[in-house]
Amino acid sequence: DGGITQSPKYLFRKEGQNVTLSCEQNLNHDAMYWYRQDPGQGLRLIYYSQIVNDFQKGDIAEGYSVSREKKESFPLTVTSAQKNPTAFYLCASSKRAGSTDTQYFGPGTRLTVL
Amino acid sequence: AQKITQTQPGMFVQEKEAVTLDCTYDTSDQSYGLFWYKQPSSGEMIFLIYQGSYDEQNATEGRYSLNFQKARKSANLVISASQLGDSAMYFCAMREQLSSGSARQLTFGSGTQLTVLP
Repeated sequence: DGGITQSPKYLFRKEGQNVTLSCEQNLNHDAMYWYRQDPGQGLRLIYYSQIVNDFQKGDIAEGYSVSREKKESFPLTVTSAQKNPTAFYLCASSKRAGSTDTQYFGPGTRLTVL
Repeated sequence: AQKITQTQPGMFVQEKEAVTLDCTYDTSDQSYGLFWYKQPSSGEMIFLIYQGSYDEQNATEGRYSLNFQKARKSANLVISASQLGDSAMYFCAMREQLSSGSARQLTFGSGTQLTVLP
């Protein structure tokens, strides 16, 4: 079945550590996205990528980094520079990056900093 | 200014009844897309329905329909014959198309928590 997978589902990190969240899609989509969701709030865009080897910052990119070496994969690294990283992280993809292209989401990773 | 406004933090509906979830948006672009997503307690965002700004007819998808009133800039979601499994958070989102051909990124509202009562 086609879809988006994220791993791990739950992640615990000590302060000062970098951690990488995985996102893989087999939908043959060109565009991929990372969002952050805090309790009781909507989603905020961290980074997005429209094609391989290209990505742009979203609204809250500080303290995060990404890579897009393969079409299927868009990992997100939460660095120690991110001041409040505890949140729910959602990865999404769409066929293209136009206004009519529906974004489909993975199941999410819940990150907790201890 | 908020681009997407959902004024109902929480809503209750009786099973088998219809419910309308409100969404208003703010844009000066002529071309844009409106989306509704459902987020159950598991966290995954599930796409429900899409409406393009140039679509003359309201979008429908099974029990979901979108009441699109362009002049009022509203895109309310109507769920007919509510089921217990419809209990979830619902998000309205918009993506604007720039004149250059690229698109702004998807902007989400703050969501409405729907509870279906047996």
